[in-house]
Amino acid sequence: EPEVTQTPSHQVTQMGQEVILRCVPISNHLYFYWYRQILGQKVEFLVSFYNNEISEKSEIFDDQFSVERPDGSNFTLKIRSTKLEDSAMYFCASSLNSGDTQYFGPGTRLTVL
Amino acid sequence: GIQVEQSPPDLILQEGANSTLRCNFSDSVNNLQWFHQNPWGQLINLFYIPSGTKQNGRLSATTVATERYSLLYISSSQTTDSGVYFCAVGKGGSEKLVFGKGTKLTVNP
Repeated sequence: EPEVTQTPSHQVTQMGQEVILRCVPISNHLYFYWYRQILGQKVEFLVSFYNNEISEKSEIFDDQFSVERPDGSNFTLKIRSTKLEDSAMYFCASSLNSGDTQYFGPGTRLTVL
Repeated sequence: GIQVEQSPPDLILQEGANSTLRCNFSDSVNNLQWFHQNPWGQLINLFYIPSGTKQNGRLSATTVATERYSLLYISSSQTTDSGVYFCAVGKGGSEKLVFGKGTKLTVNP
């Protein structure tokens, strides 16, 4: 069964550094998403992406964040200057159409020191 | 925005017991998904169920959209069912899923 993959599984970085989290969505899916989960809390929506542009974003997704689909298979989340409070599990998801099942990747655990 | 409330927040069972988890939401939805978050943090899709009833093995789910709730049933629970169960909903015209705070299930041998 096709699945969403994410790399790396765990990333440790120093405060102020840039990080790029990578995702490979399911190949025929058209909608892509990033969510995050701070330890012990609920999962929160960050951004959705369709037709090579952001279709929706939350208030969390400020100017420090950006997303890109650099080629036909990868979908990336960049955090320009990480803060301690960016430490969280970041999940990528994809769906075939809007309103369809969103399939989640295994997550990248980001630790900012 | 839409509110999602899950109950109970914590549930402890003996292996073999049955359980019902509830998800209430505050507005009409076009997407409702149940997830199991395993001890490694992975979100496992259980059901896509904006309305109706589905069954998959020992798990089943029912969503009554007109009354704005969904139920997840786990029968003959096993220790591997332990983890956090999340309900997440989406509204028409919005891409995002809004998650509840989850129900933490512990199944003891």
